[in-house]
Amino acid sequence: EAGVVQSPRYKIIEKKQPVAFWCNPISGHNTLYWYRQNLGQGPELLIRYENEEAVDDSQLPKDRFSAERLKGVDSTLKIQPAELGDSAVYLCASSRNWQTNEQFFGPGTRLTVL
Amino acid sequence: QQQVKQSPQSLIVQKGGISIINCAYENTAFDYFPWYQQFPGKGPALLIAIRPDVSEKKEGRFTISFNKSAKQFSLHIMDSQPGDSATYFCAPTGGTSYGKLTFGQGTILTVHP
Repeated sequence: EAGVVQSPRYKIIEKKQPVAFWCNPISGHNTLYWYRQNLGQGPELLIRYENEEAVDDSQLPKDRFSAERLKGVDSTLKIQPAELGDSAVYLCASSRNWQTNEQFFGPGTRLTVL
Repeated sequence: QQQVKQSPQSLIVQKGGISIINCAYENTAFDYFPWYQQFPGKGPALLIAIRPDVSEKKEGRFTISFNKSAKQFSLHIMDSQPGDSATYFCAPTGGTSYGKLTFGQGTILTVHP
């Protein structure tokens, strides 16, 4: 089966610019996660979706970050405006459902904010 | 992420040697203890995982040892190979954190030929 697809793979922007990341999870996976991975650190959960509902967004900086999963399939994560500290790898993951512990990760989008 | 601590931060092993990575956690509600492997430019991938009802699980060259009373679990890689060179993360979950992996800081493993 195809894995989690993310685009773009790399993005370089100036601070204060907007940026968006796209994720297509594995077919049939109801749960979708967005993580942020800073250099030399483990991934940190930003938001978790069960189908189209955001069930855990407690770690999402809501003043500048937003996410959507309108039809319960693919998802978009947006930052507006971006700050220097947002430079990181943004990872999308999916699992069959919230009770399934194994999460499958995409390759990530490496964001550089100048 | 103070509730999960990995050690060492980096590890260098000769080919054929044993690699051991440790993970200490604080949340006693955790009930699923996985290790993820990440290669440069890739996302993490599940390597092996254990439930607290057993103390050890082996899959090929990879073994998890679990010590519930000490709130620790470890990854052992036997006969380490250069292809095992990667970053390894423990990422326990469970209880009110169910579905949310709590990643450690990571251990960079380098296996020399």
